[in-house]
Amino acid sequence: EVQLLESGGGMVQPGGSLRLSCAASGFTFSSYVMSWVRQAPGKGLEWVSGISGGGGSTYYADSVKGRFTISRDNSKNTLYLQMNSLRAEDTAVYYCAKVPRAVYCSSTSCYTYFDYWGQGTLVTVSS
Amino acid sequence: EIVLTQSPGTLSLSPGERTTLSCRASQSVSSSYLAWYQQKPGQAPRLLIYGASSRATGIPDRFSGSGSGTDFTLTISRLEPEDFAVYYCQQYGSSPLTFGGGTKVEIK
Repeated sequence: EVQLLESGGGMVQPGGSLRLSCAASGFTFSSYVMSWVRQAPGKGLEWVSGISGGGGSTYYADSVKGRFTISRDNSKNTLYLQMNSLRAEDTAVYYCAKVPRAVYCSSTSCYTYFDYWGQGTLVTVSS
Repeated sequence: EIVLTQSPGTLSLSPGERTTLSCRASQSVSSSYLAWYQQKPGQAPRLLIYGASSRATGIPDRFSGSGSGTDFTLTISRLEPEDFAVYYCQQYGSSPLTFGGGTKVEIK
């Protein structure tokens, strides 16, 4: 059974940093592209970032490019999102999401849907 | 960026009814790369449909998807109590990946 468990959320001041983690189990983690998707309170879903199975290719939404860094440790089956220079508009529940095995990725994006999601971790940016 | 517009914003229905949710794209979605998700309060989204019409693993056959180009629909043939939720569409045919604003299906 696929399981994704996020952690690391909390309250941080504007301009601060936070690192989210997502522990994965139930599948061969290193074989799959992984992503982060966020949802502001009472709002819709927004894709944030993605990373290839080996970690060599990364992808970002324009809204977070240059501030967020996605990474993974395949020896620990864990996905990360380092968030710097946080803004109030980054306040959201952050979901870790698994991508299906057969996915096409270009140099700038992976064209995919998300077949499994974690329960999410809340990030609040406020002074 | 492809903007997805879902309508209506809210549907008030009774269990047993049939319903159709709409997702309209601002540009054609290539290869019908459109997915639908269900989200209940306090829960993560759950994949229902991908490729516009393929049901995900374990999804009951009362859920069906159709459409191509710029117009897509999700049909629930007979609403069960557990189907009352928010439904989102997502396109993955072009970058960036985008989601619709959602349609809430509530109990009448």
